[in-house]
Amino acid sequence: EVYLVESGGGLVQPGGSLRLSCAASGFTFSTSWMHWVRQHPGKGLVWVSRISDDGATTNYADSVEGRFTISRDNGRNTVYLQMNSLRADDTAVYFCVRDRPGTGDYWGQGTLVTVS
Amino acid sequence: DVVMTQTPLSLSVTPGQTASISCKSSQSLLNSVGNTYLSWFVQKPGQSPQLLIHEVSRRVSGVPDRFSGSGSGTDFTLKISRVEAEDVGVYHCMSGLTLPWTFGQGTKVEI
Repeated sequence: EVYLVESGGGLVQPGGSLRLSCAASGFTFSTSWMHWVRQHPGKGLVWVSRISDDGATTNYADSVEGRFTISRDNGRNTVYLQMNSLRADDTAVYFCVRDRPGTGDYWGQGTLVTVS
Repeated sequence: DVVMTQTPLSLSVTPGQTASISCKSSQSLLNSVGNTYLSWFVQKPGQSPQLLIHEVSRRVSGVPDRFSGSGSGTDFTLKISRVEAEDVGVYHCMSGLTLPWTFGQGTKVEI
């Protein structure tokens, strides 16, 4: 069974940094593209970033470009999201999502980031 | 970016009845090789989103056939037949045509 387990969320002051991790199991991680999607409190879903299976290609939402960095370690079956210069509007639950053509088929349980 | 508009934003349904949710995109979700990348997710209370349907009408394994997706181009519909209590949650449509993925506002279904 596919599992995606996020960690690393918490309370951080504006301007601070956090690194989120997503540990994957139950599938061949090294051949899967991965995404981060966030959900502001009580709001809808917003795509944040994507990374290719080999880590060579990354994409970001305009709102996080230059502040967030997605990376992965295929040896550890883990994808990361390094978040710098955090702002109040980055407060959200962050989900790790496995890519399949045109959609995301498995989502982690999410980790809450609060910037205050 | 593709703008996704869902209606209604909330829906109260009696068990056994049919619920219908509309999702419209600001541009066609049909790609150059004939795939239409429109997905539906359900987010049950306190949980993360779960994929129900992808490519307009393809149900994920294990999803009851009470759930059906239809549509083409820019207009799509999710129907839940014979609604059950366990169907409560927020239903999201999503465009996966290009990055960024974009989502509808979500439709809250109550029983």
